[in-house]
Amino acid sequence: KAGVTQTPRYLIKTRGQQVTLSCSPISGHRSVSWYQQTPGQGLQFLFEYFSETQRNKGNFPGRFSGRQFSNSRSEMNVSTLELGDSALYLCASSPQLAGSYNEQFFGPGTRLTVL
Amino acid sequence: GQQVMQIPQYQHVQEGEDFTTYCNSSTTLSNIQWYKQRPGGHPVFLIQLVKSGEVKKQKRLTFQFGEAKKNSSLHITATQTTDVGTYFCAGNYGGSQGNLIFGKGTKLSVKP
Repeated sequence: KAGVTQTPRYLIKTRGQQVTLSCSPISGHRSVSWYQQTPGQGLQFLFEYFSETQRNKGNFPGRFSGRQFSNSRSEMNVSTLELGDSALYLCASSPQLAGSYNEQFFGPGTRLTVL
Repeated sequence: GQQVMQIPQYQHVQEGEDFTTYCNSSTTLSNIQWYKQRPGGHPVFLIQLVKSGEVKKQKRLTFQFGEAKKNSSLHITATQTTDVGTYFCAGNYGGSQGNLIFGKGTKLSVKP
C-alpha cells in the first residue's frame, strides 16, 4: 500500500496570507490527524477527522481549520498567517479499527515558512 | 491540560553504551505509543503499550509501562549508529484514538 502523502512538501508564504495543505491517507484508513512540529514546542496535535467529522481539536486558534472528504482525504487551512506558524505540518492516518488503539502512520510533512 | 513530560531532551552516547528515555504523565493514560524520527524524516511507530506494568521487547529495545499507567520508558541496549534519531512517547487519554499528546522527545546521538 502507498503511504500517507502530503502536498505540497514545501511552501513559502508571507504574513497575512492563507494556506491550504493536503493529505491523502493510506487506503482504507478513515482517521486523519494533523500535527504541528516546531523545534520549541515539539509535536502538537491540531485536530482529528473521522468519517468527514472533526472528532477532536487541539489548543490552536480558530485560524487553523480543516476538513475531510468522503474519500478520507483531508485538508487543513491556516488563515492570516503569522511568523510563528512556520513549522512542519504532519498528517497521520490510522485505520481506527473498532475496539483497539491504532498506530498513526505519518506522512513526510509540509514545511511551511512564513516570511 | 494533559501533558506528557519526557526526559532527557538530549543524550549523547558512545556506540555500545545503553540509552534510556523516560516519559511521565500527571494523569492516567489509556495507552502510550513510542515513535522514532530520524533526522529529516517523519515519526515512525515503534510500539504501543496498553496494560499496566506491560513490558515489550523488540530486539535491543525494551519498552515499559508503569503500574499506574502514568509513566513509561524506552531502553536501548548496546546502541548502534543506526539508533540515531529522536524518540517520542505519545500518550492517549481515552476517548478518541486519533488524539495523541506527544512528549518533546529525546534526541539520541551515537558516537562510533
